[in-house]
Amino acid sequence: AQSVSQHNHHVILSEAASLELGCNYSYGGTVNLFWYVQYPGQHLQLLLKYFSGDPLVKGIKGFEAEFIKSKFSFNLRKPSVQWSDTAEYFCAVKRWGGYNKLIFGAGTRLAVHP
Amino acid sequence: EAGVTQFPSHSVIEKGQTVTLRCDPISGHDNLYWYRRVMGKEIKFLLHFVKESKQDESGMPNNRFLAERTGGTYSTLKVQPAELEDSGVYFCASSPAADTQYFGPGTRLTVL
Repeated sequence: AQSVSQHNHHVILSEAASLELGCNYSYGGTVNLFWYVQYPGQHLQLLLKYFSGDPLVKGIKGFEAEFIKSKFSFNLRKPSVQWSDTAEYFCAVKRWGGYNKLIFGAGTRLAVHP
Repeated sequence: EAGVTQFPSHSVIEKGQTVTLRCDPISGHDNLYWYRRVMGKEIKFLLHFVKESKQDESGMPNNRFLAERTGGTYSTLKVQPAELEDSGVYFCASSPAADTQYFGPGTRLTVL
């Protein structure tokens, strides 16, 4: 069965530190990839997505992610985090071609201390 | 543009009772999805509507769950009878096509 692994369940950083959250998936075919974020008390929001083209994708709020097909990875990065980035981050995968459901990772809780 | 809305935001019921959750998608979105997150685990797909038709219900856990989308607008998810393991956050999402899914705020269901 297809699965998505997020390696870090909890991450604690100080402001201005760099962030990288890992995401690996198990499906070998063509996929669409997503990172969603849930800020405290808010709903899930799309940070960025990859469908095709340039494997380095830029999203909102200074986030970016790189799709490495050979490693089945889609890691999320931000060079300098802010306190307002405190949230839970979810990686999700959708199989291409007739399957619309998203397969989510378990989520990573990020706490940024001022 | 109004986002996806869900009602209620919280529901506390006793085991054996019935609960109905409602989702109003973004206007014009033919695709509507239900997901569930149980106790801090991953968000899991339940089912997918295209207009009023069930496109994929492979994630529905058992026959105590019934989803409907009469008229292809809002959707309801009924749990009858509710069990303790049904507790969690139920998310609804919608999309105009096989594209980005926009999520609602979720309904937190607690079964005592």
